[in-house]
Amino acid sequence: GQQLNQSPQSMFIQEGEDVSMNCTSSSIFNTWLWYKQDPGEGPVLLIALYKAGELTSNGRLTAQFGITRKDSFLNISASIPSDVGIYFCAGSNTDKLIFGTGTRLQVFP
Amino acid sequence: DSGVTQTPKHLITATGQRVTLRCSPRSGDLSVYWYQQSLDQGLQFLIHYYNGEERAKGNILERFSAQQFPDLHSELNLSSLELGDSALYFCASSVVTSSTEAFFGQGTRLTVV
Repeated sequence: GQQLNQSPQSMFIQEGEDVSMNCTSSSIFNTWLWYKQDPGEGPVLLIALYKAGELTSNGRLTAQFGITRKDSFLNISASIPSDVGIYFCAGSNTDKLIFGTGTRLQVFP
Repeated sequence: DSGVTQTPKHLITATGQRVTLRCSPRSGDLSVYWYQQSLDQGLQFLIHYYNGEERAKGNILERFSAQQFPDLHSELNLSSLELGDSALYFCASSVVTSSTEAFFGQGTRLTVV
């Protein structure tokens, strides 16, 4: 099945550090979303982006929708232990989501 | 708690068997989506129902089928199970037909032995 490319695959950082992760696609999407998945849980929506070039923040999270509509990044500032989890990007043109391969984040105190 | 309820949470069954996964969407949501999450394929869209009607199909195998009932709950039926069908199956729901505002359930972990 189709998947978006996310990088890095995993990150190990110290509490308080900033984090940046990217997502790229060979296809154009009208909407980009970022999700976080905790162990044993379903994905939870963090940020939704609807316009090319849009920069949106949600607390310590900031995400941008690329101008070409083929990429997006997510930044997390001043990481805390509860940021641990898997972060997924997802693109959408219609009524289905195409998910990225995921970035696993570990935060050490 | 997203408000989307999936049962059962865990399911272990043998190859060749048939199982039914159930999803109750959030109150008021008309759309239900099913996704499969496996280690090698990641999160993959299976199928979308809106108010009882099938709206879109993804990479869903012919051995799999789904339906949405008048009370808006949905069931995903998996038959002739193979080892490779072992995965997490998620249901998501939204008010309208756009999956961008969908909320995911906790998933059903299916293990085929």
